Amino acid sequence: QSALTQPPSASGSPGQSVTISCTGTSSDVGGFNYVSWYQQHPGKAPKLIIYEVHKRPSGVPDRFSGSKSGNTASLTVSGLQAEDEAFYFCNSFTGTNTVVFGGGTKLTVL
Amino acid sequence: QVQLVESGGGLVKPGGSLRLSCAASGFTFSDYWMSWIRQAPGKGLEWVSYISRSASTIYYADSVKGRFTISRDNAKNSLYLHMNSLRADDTAVYYCARDIVPKFVGLGYDYWGQGTLVTVSS
Repeated sequence: QSALTQPPSASGSPGQSVTISCTGTSSDVGGFNYVSWYQQHPGKAPKLIIYEVHKRPSGVPDRFSGSKSGNTASLTVSGLQAEDEAFYFCNSFTGTNTVVFGGGTKLTVL
Repeated sequence: QVQLVESGGGLVKPGGSLRLSCAASGFTFSDYWMSWIRQAPGKGLEWVSYISRSASTIYYADSVKGRFTISRDNAKNSLYLHMNSLRADDTAVYYCARDIVPKFVGLGYDYWGQGTLVTVSS
C-alpha cells in the first residue's frame, strides 16, 4: 500500500492555470477509473472536488478538472483564485481492494 | 442535510484501546459504504478501513490490520472503529467518510465528519 506520488508544492498567479500530478501504478491509478481529488484548508475536513477521474460533485466550480493518462492522474485548476490556496490530495482504489492516498500538494496562489 | 459526527477521541497510553463512533444523519445510512480515514498532525491523509452496507465486506490498511475493527449499526445510523494495541504512530485526527455513490465503494468520499483527535502518548 505505497502512497501515490504528488509534488509537495505547486504555485500560480491569480487567473493562471496550474496542474497537479498524481502518479501510481497499474495496480491503482492505471488500473481503475476510481481516482478522486480533495481540497483541504488548514484545520478543515477535506472536500471532494473530483471523483471517477473527471467528474465534479455538484457545487464544485468547473475551474477544477481531472484527467488521467496511464498511471498518472492530474488535477487542473484554471483561473486561479486566492481561495484555491490549500492542500490537494489524490486518492485511488487499488487492485487489492484497498484505498491509497497521495502525499498531498500545497498549492500557493502568488 | 447530510451530517457525520465523530466522537470518542482522546488521550490514551501506548498499548491502550479506544472506540470511535460516527453518527450519521440526513441520508439512508444503510445504502452507503463507509470508511475511516486518518491524518497525523501536519501529515497527509491515510485510509484506514471501509465497510460495506451490510458489513459483509471489510478491508483494512496494513498499518492497522489485526489491531483495529470497523463495524456499523444500520439501525442506529452509526459507524464504529475499535482500536486496540494503540501506538504513538496512531496519533491522528480520525475522520469518517461516506462514499459518493450508493452501493459502490472507492469512487470518492463526498461527505466527511469534522474529525476526532486520538493522541497516543504515555
